[in-house]
Amino acid sequence: AQTVTQSQPEMSVQEAETVTLSCTYDTSESDYYLFWYKQPPSRQMILVIRQEAYKQQNATENRFSVNFQKAAKSFSLKISDSQLGDAAMYFCAYRSPTGNQFYFGTGTSLTVIP
Amino acid sequence: NAGVTQTPKFQVLKTGQSMTLQCAQDMNHNSMYWYRQDPGMGLRLIYYSASEGTTDKGEVPNGYNVSRLNKREFSLRLESAAPSQTSVYFCASRMNWGLAVGETQYFGPGTRLLVL
Repeated sequence: AQTVTQSQPEMSVQEAETVTLSCTYDTSESDYYLFWYKQPPSRQMILVIRQEAYKQQNATENRFSVNFQKAAKSFSLKISDSQLGDAAMYFCAYRSPTGNQFYFGTGTSLTVIP
Repeated sequence: NAGVTQTPKFQVLKTGQSMTLQCAQDMNHNSMYWYRQDPGMGLRLIYYSASEGTTDKGEVPNGYNVSRLNKREFSLRLESAAPSQTSVYFCASRMNWGLAVGETQYFGPGTRLLVL
């Protein structure tokens, strides 16, 4: 099974500043999909951004962008202009193109300081 | 559009009791999943169903059974609940296009289960 590692259990950022959340993964596959999910206190899981491994260009969704380093098996999430509503648990996830299973990291709890 | 719905939202069980968690999606998705979330453990896959009529074990299937009742519904059953099954349970669904661009999962709001 693939493993996904989030080495930062907790992070904090000042409102309007930028923060980067780290994620590494282990795989022998050359093609796969990576995701960042947000889980606010409501516990609802919300997709933030996704990246296809065959694409060299880093995905961007408004204030959210990723730094995808395929050789290093690294997939970090950058949140720019942090807002109070960004406070949540963030999960990194991996999916093989040939399988149905998703593998999640243990999450990073992000606090936004006013 | 309701998306993925789960019932109940919260349940307390005594050790040894049984119960079924219900999940339904109205997005015509092929694949459905059950996860459990425990503190410091992230989400772990219990069972999934790639399509109607099929189910497969995930990472932590022991103590659970599932039924893919039809394309919309995927239930999770605890036959004899144990305190170790205290957790938050999430159902998710996905349109499985095989090798197509990585369709993501859509999650339900979760069921909080406490086993005493």
